[in-house]
Amino acid sequence: NAGVTQTPKFRVLKTGQSMTLLCAQDMNHEYMYWYRQDPGMGLRLIHYSVGEGTTAKGEVPDGYNVSRLKKQNFLLGLESAAPSQTSVYFCASGISGLALSYEQYFGPGTRLTVT
Amino acid sequence: AQSVTQLGSHVSVSEGALVLLRCNYSSSVPPYLFWYVQYPNQGLQLLLKYTTGATLVKGINGFEAEFKKSETSFHLTKPSAHMSDAAEYFCAAGVYNQGGKLIFGQGTELSVKP
Repeated sequence: NAGVTQTPKFRVLKTGQSMTLLCAQDMNHEYMYWYRQDPGMGLRLIHYSVGEGTTAKGEVPDGYNVSRLKKQNFLLGLESAAPSQTSVYFCASGISGLALSYEQYFGPGTRLTVT
Repeated sequence: AQSVTQLGSHVSVSEGALVLLRCNYSSSVPPYLFWYVQYPNQGLQLLLKYTTGATLVKGINGFEAEFKKSETSFHLTKPSAHMSDAAEYFCAAGVYNQGGKLIFGQGTELSVKP
């Protein structure tokens, strides 16, 4: 059981370039999330999904797009990277329902630098 | 709006001393609460969680936290710090029926001195 995996682990982009971050989970979770982590700001939610084919905006969605074509995968896209998007990106998956407490399981992160 | 505040971005304790990391939340409805730990260059790992029921919850590695509704707090404690506890700790809160979304605090970096 690999849990939540993220690809790639590191990436350097030039301003204006595009890229896609891939998140995969093998726990059959319905919910998936993309966060960014910046010093002193904790984790901030970018986009999330409550099921295959659905996505919704989080706290800081501007400049990002997502897709959830398969239940196990959640893709985060940057169409035109900006230096302000330099960050560590975390994917998480979770289970829903009162009895299951909305616990989230995190991937190892992707460190992105935009120059 | 819901928010989570962690008091103190850096906390330093001596090995064997009490660890106390503070977390306060604001929410108009009862939340569910988590503490996560992040070791350098790794993802977040769940320490413990409060959903309903007993207000004192025990987690991994000897940590525990108490939900105090009257104080809107969920402070994390450990009686005796170990060098391996050095990490960043995040408090998070969520509200039922909102897509499982969590709001995270700013994080507290714990240093443990020999």
